[in-house]
Amino acid sequence: QKEVEQNSGPLSVPEGAIASLNCTYSDRGSQSFFWYRQYSGKSPELIMFIYSNGDKEDGRFTAQLNKASQYVSLLIRDSQPSDSATYLCAVNVYSGGYQKVTFGTGTKLQVIP
Amino acid sequence: GAGVSQSPSNKVTEKGKDVELRCDPISGHTALYWYRQRLGQGLEFLIYFQGNSAPDKSGLPSDRFSAERTGESVSTLTIQRTQQEDSAVYLCASSAGGTDTQYFGPGTRLTVL
Repeated sequence: QKEVEQNSGPLSVPEGAIASLNCTYSDRGSQSFFWYRQYSGKSPELIMFIYSNGDKEDGRFTAQLNKASQYVSLLIRDSQPSDSATYLCAVNVYSGGYQKVTFGTGTKLQVIP
Repeated sequence: GAGVSQSPSNKVTEKGKDVELRCDPISGHTALYWYRQRLGQGLEFLIYFQGNSAPDKSGLPSDRFSAERTGESVSTLTIQRTQQEDSAVYLCASSAGGTDTQYFGPGTRLTVL
């Protein structure tokens, strides 16, 4: 089982809709959860992080964390064509004696005008 | 500059040559990661440095790859006897600690002819 899993997509949503991106993780001890956005040809950039169960909102973005289900999601409201990118979930894991942040493979989002 | 910097931005080399890639992390960041990203693919973890601890080398794909870090500053990734499959963007990221937000550099695009 991969430490961090995401559906690769592409996920296509019409402009103005809500995009829902999902991520599951294997380490029950994980405490830090991150969502990054990567535009084609660019480096990943942080959208938001979440540490506690529940929802965390920042503008059009909402991160949702459910530690019992080992599940973290990112909702993008009023999706815009400029949101089209690959979204990477990252989770801190304890692996091989190291506490570090591990990335999923990313979900490609396409917002259709 | 307050961000992570990498050099060179582009490197073209011939098969069999050695290359050295450099990463300057954000000042004060104890953790440093190297990733490889092939065209259209996700981030592939290579190596992780955390303070003065022994690095996590579990992602290095072969013994042709090595990396060093001087204290909590500059890191170099060395690829010996380059192969065409080494062609990729090599990304460096630093964070304040092993479980904190990672900040990415712009990457080095390596092309092996």
